[in-house]
Amino acid sequence: EDQVTQSPEALRLQEGESSSLNCSYTVSGLRGLFWYRQDPGKGPEFLFTLYSAGEEKEKERLKATLTKKESFLHITAPKPEDSATYLCAVRPEYGNKLVFGAGTILRVKS
Amino acid sequence: DTGVSQDPRHKITKRGQNVTFRCDPISEHNRLYWYRQTLGQGPEFLTYFQNEAQLEKSRLLSDRFSAERPKGSFSTLEIQRTEQGDSAMYLCASSLSLGTEQYFGPGTRLTVT
Repeated sequence: EDQVTQSPEALRLQEGESSSLNCSYTVSGLRGLFWYRQDPGKGPEFLFTLYSAGEEKEKERLKATLTKKESFLHITAPKPEDSATYLCAVRPEYGNKLVFGAGTILRVKS
Repeated sequence: DTGVSQDPRHKITKRGQNVTFRCDPISEHNRLYWYRQTLGQGPEFLTYFQNEAQLEKSRLLSDRFSAERPKGSFSTLEIQRTEQGDSAMYLCASSLSLGTEQYFGPGTRLTVT
């Protein structure tokens, strides 16, 4: 069964304190790993797509990396506005759905 | 803004009533998806359309749930005889036929009392 596990469940950082979020996955053939940001009461906002091990993508203070079994979302010198839930999802080889993890709730304090 | 839109944003209904939600995808997107999200969980896939054809349905989608996408444009999700367990955020997403990124709408928050 396709499964995504995210850790930690919650993370509190001071402004400027860099850290990483983890996404471990088990999937029957990977056709893409996706990172989304979700603010309270809103729909997920697309951040990155990664397709193959070794691939990296960057956007502002965020950098996503992918290995054969997991992905990391690195946050460099975070600001309070980076506070949100970060969701990881995989697209299995068959079908068109995304399988999501439960997310990591990030709080950045000034 | 030409993103995915959903209506209504909030719906409160009594148990046993029927409800219908609408989703308008990004105009050039052929694929449309419905997901359900409960508190503290990631979105769970419900169903998927390519143009007007419903090509995939989750085992989670009971007989009380029905979705349509007439003419391959907007979509509706109807829940009949609502139950308290149906309380959740219902999310719609769309994507290009050849692309894989799914872009989500703001969601419809359903509360069944």
